[in-house]
Amino acid sequence: QKEVEQDPGPLSVPEGAIVSLNCTYSNSAFQYFMWYRQYSRKGPELLMYTYSSGNKEDGRFTAQVDKSSKYISLFIRDSQPSDSATYLCVYSYTGNQFYFGTGTSLTVIP
Amino acid sequence: GAVVSQHPSWVICKSGTSVKIECRSLDFQATTMFWYRQFPKQSLMLMATSNEGSKATYEQGVEKDKFLINHASLTLSTLTVTSAHPEDSSFYICSASRREGLKNEQFFGPGTRLTVL
Repeated sequence: QKEVEQDPGPLSVPEGAIVSLNCTYSNSAFQYFMWYRQYSRKGPELLMYTYSSGNKEDGRFTAQVDKSSKYISLFIRDSQPSDSATYLCVYSYTGNQFYFGTGTSLTVIP
Repeated sequence: GAVVSQHPSWVICKSGTSVKIECRSLDFQATTMFWYRQFPKQSLMLMATSNEGSKATYEQGVEKDKFLINHASLTLSTLTVTSAHPEDSSFYICSASRREGLKNEQFFGPGTRLTVL
């Protein structure tokens, strides 16, 4: 079983829609959860970081963690064409080992 | 957020030559740096984990004699692709981890596109 499972998509939504991106993980020791956004031919950019269950909001982005079901989500409200990118969920528990999902490709259609 | 730079951003070289890629953390000290490669439309693949002052730890299947990693200081790690071949053409991305108390974040460089002719 992979440490992290992420639906690769691709996901295509109209502008203004609410986007839900999801990952599941297998190791209950995971403590840190991160979402990265990667545009084509660019390095990943850290969007959200959380280490507790519940919601964390930053502008149009909300990260949600449910440790009881080992489920993590990223919600994007009022999606924009500029949100079109690949989104990576990442977990860590040792501090120096990071486990990546495969990434979900998102396209927001104007 | 913290800034990680990579140089060069794009390099084209002939088969058989060696190429060095630099990764720098510009505004923080990184005890650990990571090197990834990424093929088009594929996920990041971790190549090695590099700790300052010690030998890098390579992932299974990555040739350490081909991909030489040097982490000479807390702000600089280099990846040298030795005797490059066309199949080494890829997007190479480094990252640096920054620890602040319980928080440990990973910041990525912009990537280096390597084309081997």
